[in-house]
Amino acid sequence: KAGVTQTPRYLIKTRGQQVTLSCSPISGHRSVSWYQQTPGQGLQFLFEYFSETQRNKGNFPGRFSGRQFSNSRSEMNVSTLELGDSALYLCASSMGQLKDGQRYEQYFGPGTRLTVT
Amino acid sequence: SQELEQSPQSLIVQEGKNLTINCTSSKTLYGLYWYKQKYGEGLIFLMMLQKGGEEKSHEKITAKLDEKKQQSSLHITASQPSHAGIYLCGATHRRTGNTGKLIFGQGTTLQVKP
Repeated sequence: KAGVTQTPRYLIKTRGQQVTLSCSPISGHRSVSWYQQTPGQGLQFLFEYFSETQRNKGNFPGRFSGRQFSNSRSEMNVSTLELGDSALYLCASSMGQLKDGQRYEQYFGPGTRLTVT
Repeated sequence: SQELEQSPQSLIVQEGKNLTINCTSSKTLYGLYWYKQKYGEGLIFLMMLQKGGEEKSHEKITAKLDEKKQQSSLHITASQPSHAGIYLCGATHRRTGNTGKLIFGQGTTLQVKP
């Protein structure tokens, strides 16, 4: 099976612009979660989508948004970019169906390195 | 304070030596995940633990979950340069249950000297 793919791998934007990142989960996985990784804050959860619905949300401003398509592919958008948004953005996929007692392995993509100048 | 604390923050070992990394949660664990990351790259899934006392091994890496202490340990036997990297523990807690929200520790950077 192909792993989680993310595009683009690298991106340079200027302050005030907006950006869209894409994530294709492992085939058959319906949950996609997004994370931001920075040297100062570490790995922080942004949001999770399951069956095209946002199931969980982290503590990020409304400039960060996402969506999921019927084929489980997901995009995240950051509007009005700030210098502090420079980070490695990672997505993870899992089976994700809610069943009592079930935990799911989460697999991460290679990430998109966003630099805001 | 962090919901998930890893120790040590960094580790330098001689090739061939054993080492242990700990991960302690301040909240009731639902699932505990171990990942390895090369700097600036994605996370490589190592193991998932979900039951107290559970122990899993993959090649020379063993992880255990102590439910009473809300703690997990990752043990590497006979370390090799290929083990070098950043080890991250992630957890789902009771409140968020089995959704895809993982809380991560700050990571442990491992260097293995040949």
